[in-house]
Formats: sequence, C-alpha cells, structure tokens
Amino acid sequence: DAKTTQPPSMDCAEGRAANLPCNHSTISGNEYVYWYRQIHSQGPQYIIHGLKNNETNEMASLIITEDRKSSTLILPHATLRDTAVYYCIVSVTGANSKLTFGKGITLSVRP
Amino acid sequence: GAVVSQHPSRVICKSGTSVKIECRSLDFQATTMFWYRQFPKQSLMLMATSNEGSKATYEQGVEKDKFLINHASLTLSTLTVTSAHPEDSSFYICSAREGTPYVYFGPGTRLTVL
Repeated sequence: DAKTTQPPSMDCAEGRAANLPCNHSTISGNEYVYWYRQIHSQGPQYIIHGLKNNETNEMASLIITEDRKSSTLILPHATLRDTAVYYCIVSVTGANSKLTFGKGITLSVRP
Repeated sequence: GAVVSQHPSRVICKSGTSVKIECRSLDFQATTMFWYRQFPKQSLMLMATSNEGSKATYEQGVEKDKFLINHASLTLSTLTVTSAHPEDSSFYICSAREGTPYVYFGPGTRLTVL
C-alpha cells in the first residue's frame, strides 16, 4: 500500500473549518483514500473514504486532487470534541486489503 | 456505522499468565478481523489478520505462538496473549470488515502486565 505523509500537528479555532492535508504521491489507481480519527484512549473512528471524486458525509468532506497525489479532509465547523489524531490511509479494497496506520496529524481545537 | 465491541476494556494480570481478549461485531458479519497494538504516544501497529474459519496471517515480527488468534465465527475473534510479560502491556484494538471498503474498530483493551 502507498505511504502517506501528514504534518505532525495543527490547530484551529472552535467553529472554524479545519483543513487537514495528506500527501500520497505514490498512490496507485485502485487505492482508496481513507480517513480515521482516534480520540485519546479510544479505538479509531471511521470518517470518510474516496477514490477520486470528492466526498461528503455528515462528519466531513474529502477533497482529492485530480492527480490523486494529495487530499484534504475538511471538518466544516470544528468543535472541541474534534480534538484527536487524524489518520490518512491509502489502501486497496477487497478481501485481502488491510489498513496500515502512519503517525497521523494531531488536531487541537481551541476555544 | 457498524458496532464492534471488545471485552474486557481493561485487564491487569501477573507476569506469566495468559489473557484472552474478545472482539465481536455486533450488528454485522465479519469475514475478516484485524488485531492491532498501540504503545503510548505511538500509532497503531497491525499484528495480524484473521479470516473466519482459517488460520490468522501475522505481520512480520509478531510471534504467532505468543499471540494466539481464533476466528471461530463471523462475529467473534479472540486474541490470547500467552505467558504475558510487562513488555506486552499495551492497548490492543481489533477491527472488523463489513464488506468492502468499510472497516470498523473496537474501543480497545488496555492490558497491564505486572
């Protein structure tokens, strides 16, 4: 599976949009981009995934560049409860696929 | 999203004993489950992939005789840490695949070996 690169940390103000970047320049054509987050001492929580089109759900939006070498997770109105480590993962889907976690980005939402 | 549970949430044991951790998919059937380990301030490390009814596939460097995985049904996988030692103290997290591409994670089990 392709590797991802994320900044180690970022912060944003409560109520503002949080834009979390991810580079995945070696992504292959059949690999999806997944985002999970982990709040302290809990299991990771699925946020969103996409292949090449932008995606939106009730939690976030995922913007994937046309060349698919990078993506941005957008939390439109960050709250204090969004403070967590966010992991960007690229992986194929299918019976033998698995999710490999990098270091992630620590998002701190300040009041 | 689908729900994955783990039991127990916390366990403390003496060195040399074995500990079993259960992972259940509560509202879906999971042909594939995964076990991860996470040390403080580190990321999740995949230990093994288990498929229902077959032997688990372990990642490089993970001792299969120490970390016994059983996936006897489509809703239950167990991880047994045999002859646990203090260095096995960690946060163990399971996940389960609900079809593709959705993978959901359990809340984790905190193991402390004294």
